[in-house]
Amino acid sequence: DPKIIQKPKYLVAVTGSEKILICEQYLGHNAMYWYRQSAKKPLEFMFSYSYQKLMDNQTASSRFQPQSSKKNHLDLQITALKPDDSATYFCASSQEQGGAEQFFGPGTRLTVL
Amino acid sequence: GDSVTQTKGPVTLSEGTSLTVNCSYETKQYPTLFWYVQYPGEGPQLLFKVPKANEKGSNRGFEATYDKGTTSFHLQKASVQESDSAVYYCVLVLSNNRIFFGDGTQLVVKP
Repeated sequence: DPKIIQKPKYLVAVTGSEKILICEQYLGHNAMYWYRQSAKKPLEFMFSYSYQKLMDNQTASSRFQPQSSKKNHLDLQITALKPDDSATYFCASSQEQGGAEQFFGPGTRLTVL
Repeated sequence: GDSVTQTKGPVTLSEGTSLTVNCSYETKQYPTLFWYVQYPGEGPQLLFKVPKANEKGSNRGFEATYDKGTTSFHLQKASVQESDSAVYYCVLVLSNNRIFFGDGTQLVVKP
């Protein structure tokens, strides 16, 4: 069974719309993360959460908002979508924040038209 | 500031040849260093980590030494295989838990 679930696998959106990317982990981890990977840029760290609290935000735009409704959930809401937001978004988790191994999900590929 | 810089790819090698991917970092803190590998269509996965200076990490024939003196963590493998074709990331995690991924180095191994 997959340990980190990301839904949907593929997502197409129109410019200006809003989407939510889902992430659930079943590893019992206390820290969760979001990353973005596009053709133009390599893997970029976006957010880290620990015990459902935001610990680090390296995303410049407030259009990206993580949401943690449960300990093992960290969704990513993206508003006012732009074509430049097209990328694969990876969720990851680790036992604790910091020097622990991170486990990555399979990613959600977002295309904004 | 804090940063990590690694060899710009792609690096193309023939099977059986040796690999070195350079990684240099800058920080005034005491980092933990990682190498992650990403195969096509998948998320990155841990290759190995080294939490302490002057120690070596290794896995699947890959190795790197955390050299605090030169602030480097170069990835090496004596003999690459076609299955090693992937993107390799050098990662810095600081004592304040901030995470820095290098830009990744794509390795292409030809048979």
